[in-house]
Amino acid sequence: DSGVTQTPKHLITATGQRVTLRCSPRSGDLSVYWYQQSLDQGLQFLIQYYNGEERAKGNILERFSAQQFPDLHSELNLSSLELGDSALYFCASSPSGTPYNEQFFGPGTRLTVL
Amino acid sequence: TQLLEQSPQFLSIQEGENLTVYCNSSSVFSSLQWYRQEPGEGPVLLVTVVTGGEVKKLKRLTFQFGDARKDSSLHITAAQPGDTGLYLCAGAGETSGSRLTFGEGTQLTVNP
Repeated sequence: DSGVTQTPKHLITATGQRVTLRCSPRSGDLSVYWYQQSLDQGLQFLIQYYNGEERAKGNILERFSAQQFPDLHSELNLSSLELGDSALYFCASSPSGTPYNEQFFGPGTRLTVL
Repeated sequence: TQLLEQSPQFLSIQEGENLTVYCNSSSVFSSLQWYRQEPGEGPVLLVTVVTGGEVKKLKRLTFQFGDARKDSSLHITAAQPGDTGLYLCAGAGETSGSRLTFGEGTQLTVNP
């Protein structure tokens, strides 16, 4: 158990819908990262938040957005869903004060868009 | 853009055999991490290497960071079925706190 929690574990929805994925980082970790993992593209970095502020952006679509709240939990919002958005979505957190950016991953949310 | 190439992409071996997985880049990394991921679960951090030439051992797993900090290898001795999984390398850039770049992964299957 990494200490990172994600809900829900599974999510099935239809095209055009909007969903919200939730992540709680390890106690004390200020950084939260979101990744998308699909069969054909591996682990793709989406976005990073640090203590409530956006720190870095990766290959995140405009239909996707995220935020980190004062209690440090984060939410990833996916809208106007398409079939191709079906994937595993992981959240990771990392401790502050380390230069090595070691990340600890949650169990993931499996999103299926029908 | 920093890229990490892993090889082989797939590896299927018999229990008891040795194997090596490679992670290569043209970029220099301040540190490199290896993760192991099982189906439907999140990647689990195995080790972080930070010094050029560094070698770390974790039971039957040996990790090495290249002298120039551009490449790394993972060697497993006497593989067991429990070693089956997706092995991912990930590099951190020279800037402190910068995001990780992940390789595509090596899917290892150890047959009993």
